[in-house]
Amino acid sequence: SQQGEEDPQALSIQEGENATMNCSYKTSINNLQWYRQNSGRGLVHLILIRSNEREKHSGRLRVTLDTSKKSSSLLITASRAADTASYFCASRGYQKVTFGTGTKLQVIP
Amino acid sequence: GAGVSQSPSNKVTEKGKDVELRCDPISGHTALYWYRQRLGQGLEFLIYFQGNSAPDKSGLPSDRFSAERTGESVSTLTIQRTQQEDSAVYLCASSTGQGPNTEAFFGQGTRLTVV
Repeated sequence: SQQGEEDPQALSIQEGENATMNCSYKTSINNLQWYRQNSGRGLVHLILIRSNEREKHSGRLRVTLDTSKKSSSLLITASRAADTASYFCASRGYQKVTFGTGTKLQVIP
Repeated sequence: GAGVSQSPSNKVTEKGKDVELRCDPISGHTALYWYRQRLGQGLEFLIYFQGNSAPDKSGLPSDRFSAERTGESVSTLTIQRTQQEDSAVYLCASSTGQGPNTEAFFGQGTRLTVV
C-alpha cells in the first residue's frame, strides 16, 4: 500500500483562489517533496522541504512540514487554469522515495 | 542525456506475451526507481537500484516482474506472461544518490496496454 496519503483526492476551485493540499506519511523521512503530473505521464519536481525545516516558499507555492504529525501541506496561491494537474507528495526515507495517492486539482477559468 | 528517457512510449501487447521496458537515466545518477501507475491512481513503488544492485525489490508485484540495471546506466523492466491487470503507465526516475536532499527526475513513462 502507498505510504503517503493526500487529501483531498480531488479539488475544484475558481481561478484566483488558493488551493491547499495535504499529505500524510508513516515513517521517518529525510525530506518531503511535492511533484506535479500533467496528463498522467512524467512528473515534475516542484519543491523539496528538509526534515528540519517547517516551511518553504517557491514563487506561488508554500509548503509546510510537521514531522510530529507526519504531515505536510502544499498551498498554491492565486491559482491559474494552467495549475490544473495532479499533485503528489513524496517522502524520502533512507533509500526509497514513496509517493502518495495524489490530489487532482482543477482550476476553472 | 538531458533527461530520463524511457522507451517505448507506448506498448500494446497480447495477454501472455513478455515485454521489456527500458529506462535511460540521467548521466551520473546512481539511483534509479521504477513505479507503476494505473489509470487515475497514485504511484506504486516497484524497485529501486543503487548502482547496479537492487537493495529494495519489495514492490515487485509477482515473480513475473523482474528488473536489471547495467552499471549506473540503462535499466530494463521485464514483465513475463503479461496479464490485463499489468496495463498501466510505468514510470522511471533517477537521482544523484542517497543524499538526503536529492530530487528525483522522471521520464515520460511507458504506457503499457495488455489486450
